[in-house]
Amino acid sequence: EPEVTQTPSHQVTQMGQEVILRCVPISNHLYFYWYRQILGQKVEFLVSFYNNEISEKSEIFDDQFSVERPDGSNFTLKIRSTKLEDSAMYFCASIYNGISYNEQFFGPGTRLTVL
Amino acid sequence: AQTVTQSQPEMSVQEAETVTLSCTYDTSENNYYLFWYKQPPSRQMILVIRQEAYKQQNATENRFSVNFQKAAKSFSLKISDSQLGDTAMYFCAFGETSGSRLTFGEGTQLTVNP
Repeated sequence: EPEVTQTPSHQVTQMGQEVILRCVPISNHLYFYWYRQILGQKVEFLVSFYNNEISEKSEIFDDQFSVERPDGSNFTLKIRSTKLEDSAMYFCASIYNGISYNEQFFGPGTRLTVL
Repeated sequence: AQTVTQSQPEMSVQEAETVTLSCTYDTSENNYYLFWYKQPPSRQMILVIRQEAYKQQNATENRFSVNFQKAAKSFSLKISDSQLGDTAMYFCAFGETSGSRLTFGEGTQLTVNP
């Protein structure tokens, strides 16, 4: 069964450093999402991406964050200058299209630890 | 903006028993989607069951069923014949349309005891 993959599974970085989290959505999917989950809290939406542009973003997704689909298969989330409060689990998700019902398939997540 | 509330931070049930997890939501939309996701200790998000708001019939997936009360904006999950592998965090989620963002509740940690 096709699945969303994410790398790395765990990333440790120093405060102020840039990190790039990578996701490979399911190959024929067209909509992509990033969510984050701070330990012990609920899952929060960050951004959605369709047709090579951001379709929606939350108030969390400020200028420190950016997303890109550089090569038609990868979908990346970049945090330019990490802060301690960016420590969280980051989930990528994808769906086939947004017309009829489609399940959002989630990746296994990347645990980001900012020291 | 939509909100999703899960008022039970923790629940426990004996193996083989039935348990119900509660969820309420707030929206002004008439058509939308509701979901229950399971998050085991691995923290992978796994879809358990979904409900389209325009469908009156409650969704069922094997041991999992929902009680969808549209007027009351309530969407509870019933797990029958609970198994040890059901131990996980369960999140209720709302989607305005098929492709829109999901809004999650705070989660309910379910423990199934042997």
